[in-house]
Amino acid sequence: AQKVTQAQTEISVVEKEDVTLDCVYETRDTTYYLFWYKQPPSGELVFLIRRNSFDEQNEISGRYSWNFQKSTSSFNFTITASQVVDSAVYFCALSEFYTGANSKLTFGKGITLSVRP
Amino acid sequence: KAGVTQTPRYLIKTRGQQVTLSCSPISGHRSVSWYQQTPGQGLQFLFEYFSETQRNKGNFPGRFSGRQFSNSRSEMNVSTLELGDSALYLCASSLAGSAEQFFGPGTRLTVL
Repeated sequence: AQKVTQAQTEISVVEKEDVTLDCVYETRDTTYYLFWYKQPPSGELVFLIRRNSFDEQNEISGRYSWNFQKSTSSFNFTITASQVVDSAVYFCALSEFYTGANSKLTFGKGITLSVRP
Repeated sequence: KAGVTQTPRYLIKTRGQQVTLSCSPISGHRSVSWYQQTPGQGLQFLFEYFSETQRNKGNFPGRFSGRQFSNSRSEMNVSTLELGDSALYLCASSLAGSAEQFFGPGTRLTVL
């Protein structure tokens, strides 16, 4: 069975601080996908990143960066120089790796990030 | 390009009633998935449809059902509503063969 653990439930930082959101996952699959989604107060889940299990390269996109470590089953997300607009709930998710299919996502419980001005 | 749309956005029902929620995927997306989000259980997978066929189903009672039409639009139905069905119901669509799922704004269902 697949499981995603986001041990942090709420994080509060002051604008311009860096913040790291932790994600640990469990799966028996050898190939899988990992995701991060952002959920602002409006409720819509916004896709941030997808990572294949066989690609352990870290990724940077503007102020966002992701650290994937297969050895520790972790896929952490760092926001550099946080802004008030980053305030949202962030979900880490895991799915099986199928070609040609839309596989179900297993989500963590989410981390509520509050960025204060 | 329009995103995933869900209607209605808000719904209030009473116990025992039934409800139908609608989801229109992004143009060209043939796969549609449904998720339930509650404060206690978080985000949970309900089912997934592709080309009008249910390909995957989560661990929900038979009161939860869905279907997909030939234009890829999908509906989910909940019969005999219970208080615990109060939740945000999210629909996601994706291209065939793509792992990225794009979510709609959700339908917030309140059962009184």
